[in-house]
Amino acid sequence: ETGVTQTPRHLVMGMTNKKSLKCEQHLGHNAMYWYKQSAKKPLELMFVYSLEERVENNSVPSRFSPECPNSSHLFLHLHTLQPEDSALYLCASSQGREAFFGQGTRLTVV
Amino acid sequence: GDSVTQMEGPVTLSEEAFLTINCTYTATGYPSLFWYVQYPGEGLQLLLKATKADDKGSNKGFEATYRKETTSFHLEKGSVQVSDSAVYFCALSAMNTGFQKLVFGTGTRLLVSP
Repeated sequence: ETGVTQTPRHLVMGMTNKKSLKCEQHLGHNAMYWYKQSAKKPLELMFVYSLEERVENNSVPSRFSPECPNSSHLFLHLHTLQPEDSALYLCASSQGREAFFGQGTRLTVV
Repeated sequence: GDSVTQMEGPVTLSEEAFLTINCTYTATGYPSLFWYVQYPGEGLQLLLKATKADDKGSNKGFEATYRKETTSFHLEKGSVQVSDSAVYFCALSAMNTGFQKLVFGTGTRLLVSP
């Protein structure tokens, strides 16, 4: 248990669906992150929120839309995804130089 | 830009063997260095870290020393167990204003057999 909880753990969605991934941290951290982990590729940083403001967007397609309503919660809204978006999506939080990760959501786009 | 290079896997060892997983980095400034471990079906867990040159991070029998002169942070363990089978990620972090930006290697899968 790392103090970062992601739901759901698994998600299968069609290309026309809209779904959301949720991340919650109970560590009092001030920064939260979304990463994408695909097979045989390095982890890709998608978005960073610091003090609830988006401070980094690494050229992520607009079909991924993050939301950070408060310092404990982070969402990733998904719509009209492609099969190549199938991956493990990891949330992390940090305060200082140490990041803590959730268990991830395994997303399959069919 | 900053980058991390890890040895390709998988690394296959018998129980009680010595483990080394190589990691080198390229970075401007003075990053912190990390090893994360990912067990099957799980997220990443911080295994150990080092924040300045010559620091040695250690945890659960694993060690790594921050070598600035060779820009390396190799992971070692004297005697591996079957339960150590996982994917190991080397990473560096350069703090930006108020948040850290982790750069990961591609990961090295370790398989330990009884």
